[in-house]
Amino acid sequence: DAGVIQSPRHEVTEMGQEVTLRCKPISGHDYLFWYRQTMMRGLELLIYFNNNVPIDDSGMPEDRFSAKMPNASFSTLKIQPSEPRDSAVYFCASTPSELLLVNYGYTFGSGTRLTVV
Amino acid sequence: GQQVMQIPQYQHVQEGEDFTTYCNSSTTLSNIQWYKQRPGGHPVFLIQLVKSGEVKKQKRLTFQFGEAKKNSSLHITATQTTDVGTYFCAGAGAGSYQLTFGKGTKLSVIP
Repeated sequence: DAGVIQSPRHEVTEMGQEVTLRCKPISGHDYLFWYRQTMMRGLELLIYFNNNVPIDDSGMPEDRFSAKMPNASFSTLKIQPSEPRDSAVYFCASTPSELLLVNYGYTFGSGTRLTVV
Repeated sequence: GQQVMQIPQYQHVQEGEDFTTYCNSSTTLSNIQWYKQRPGGHPVFLIQLVKSGEVKKQKRLTFQFGEAKKNSSLHITATQTTDVGTYFCAGAGAGSYQLTFGKGTKLSVIP
């Protein structure tokens, strides 16, 4: 398996522009998570899905952020309009529903490093 | 909401010395997981603990889960330069798949 695949790896954009981050989870994993990592705040959960349905989006900072999962193999995180304080590394992670039964954790993608100037 | 505190924030050790990082939760956890993130990389799963008082070992790494299931520790014996990175604990409440991560302990190993 190729693991969790995120694109792009790096994104530099100007303030006010729309940014779309993409994630392909591991096949068969029915949970998908979006995290944001910064030096100040560490790893913050933004939103997570179960079987393509958003379960908890309380971590989404504001209405400028939105996430979708149209099918089991694809999810997007969109920021519109982007601001410099959105600069961070955004990670997508997936896990199967057997997480609590076996020694199996989250599998993280390589992340997207977003810089908003 | 659930909070997970991790100390220390940074640790510098000489190669061959031991290292320990501690994790405390504000609430009782269903399970706790540990991850390692190399510089410039992504978090990689190390282990999951689910039982009160559980102790697990992976070569030079020893993981413990407290009796009250609110704290945990990771101990590395005789550190090597390959141990460099940030170690995160992450906890979940009962029946939850949602992990709350600690801020991590960044380990530097001086050769």
